Amino acid sequence: RKEVEQDPGPFNVPEGATVAFNCTYSNSASQSFFWYRQDCRKEPKLLMSVYSSGNEDGRFTAQLNRASQYISLLIRDSKLSDSATYLCVVTGGFQKLVFGTGTRLLVSP
Amino acid sequence: DGGITQSPKYLFRKEGQNVTLSCEQNLNHDAMYWYRQDPGQGLRLIYYSQIVNDFQKGDIAEGYSVSREKKESFPLTVTSAQKNPTAFYLCASSQYGSGGSYNEQFFGPGTRLTVL
Repeated sequence: RKEVEQDPGPFNVPEGATVAFNCTYSNSASQSFFWYRQDCRKEPKLLMSVYSSGNEDGRFTAQLNRASQYISLLIRDSKLSDSATYLCVVTGGFQKLVFGTGTRLLVSP
Repeated sequence: DGGITQSPKYLFRKEGQNVTLSCEQNLNHDAMYWYRQDPGQGLRLIYYSQIVNDFQKGDIAEGYSVSREKKESFPLTVTSAQKNPTAFYLCASSQYGSGGSYNEQFFGPGTRLTVL
């Protein structure tokens, strides 16, 4: 089993749609969780950290379910500019992060 | 502006040659990392360093070497022993968290290495 698993997509949605991504992780000792965004041929950039109580940043909401070992990312009112690959990231050891392979999102007019 | 720089952006190498990729950060971060990304795959950790003059192998260290002589710099050498060196190489840095937490990693723009 991979340490971090994500549906590769692509998710094709129209502008204005709500879309959700899930990610499962295998290391129950993982303590920190993140969602990164990566545009084509660019470096990953932090989208948001994921907190136990869940957190929201504008149109983006992240949730953590420790019992089931999954995290989710919800994007409301999708914009064309949201088209990217979204990487689920969890801690895998001292100061080490484990990256999922990413879920590709395509938002169309 | 604080950040991470990598050079060059594109690099072409002949088989059998060693090549060194540069990574510099002015964020005053303690930890630095090198990753490799292949098409359709996630980031794989090559080497990481938590303090100056110390570094550890990641998951795919074979065929690579690093040094950490200065806090700001963490160059990666791709040696001729690396079987499939063509990839997108990303350098990152982070600051230690407190109380068992982990801070996010910040990435440089990457170097695309092509072996001809």
